[in-house]
Amino acid sequence: EVQLVESGGGLVKPGGSLRLSCAASGFAFSGAWMNWVRQAPGKGLDWVGRIKSKTDGGTIDYAAPVKGRFSISRDDSKNTLYLQMNSLQTEDTAVYYCTTAHLSVYDTDYWGQGTLVSVSS
Amino acid sequence: QPVLTQSSSASASLGSSVKLTCTLSSGHNKHIIAWHQQQPGKAPRFLMKVEGSGSYNKGSGVLDRFSGSSSGADRYLTISNLQSEDEADYYCETWDDNSWVFGGGTKVTVL
Repeated sequence: EVQLVESGGGLVKPGGSLRLSCAASGFAFSGAWMNWVRQAPGKGLDWVGRIKSKTDGGTIDYAAPVKGRFSISRDDSKNTLYLQMNSLQTEDTAVYYCTTAHLSVYDTDYWGQGTLVSVSS
Repeated sequence: QPVLTQSSSASASLGSSVKLTCTLSSGHNKHIIAWHQQQPGKAPRFLMKVEGSGSYNKGSGVLDRFSGSSSGADRYLTISNLQSEDEADYYCETWDDNSWVFGGGTKVTVL
């Protein structure tokens, strides 16, 4: 059974930092492209960024609102995805989800349960 | 970068059908899209991917009442025999070389 379990969320002051983790199991994590997606309270889904598998170059791309502040990484030996968030702003308050990012129409994608990040003074 | 457009809301009676539309922006009508369901208070759940030909592939456990189709730049999600548990937000998603994008979501109400 595929599982994605996010952790590391919490309350942080504006300008602060937080690191989220996503523990993956039940599939070949090292070969998977992975996304971070967020959802502000009462709003829709917003893509945060994507990391390719190392065999596909490990390229990382970010959405414009987080570029230069957020950093995605992965540890394939631990089957874990990370999101380092720096210079947090109140508008970064959201539930953060990790998801698989398979391009093929034949591949199922999976979501974690999410972790809440609240940025407030 | 593609843009996805969805109606904000849709409603239909219990036991009837509803067809949701996700429209790709100009120049992107060959893109595969994914449909996700988000029930109130829960994480999103993958439903299916739909390609421009109209063929679709569903995630495991997704009921037969859910189907996909396509016409030009439009990708559809049809829910048949609508049940109360289908009341949820439905998002479409697509991607290109270096970005992913979501539609604004359609809130489905079961009357």
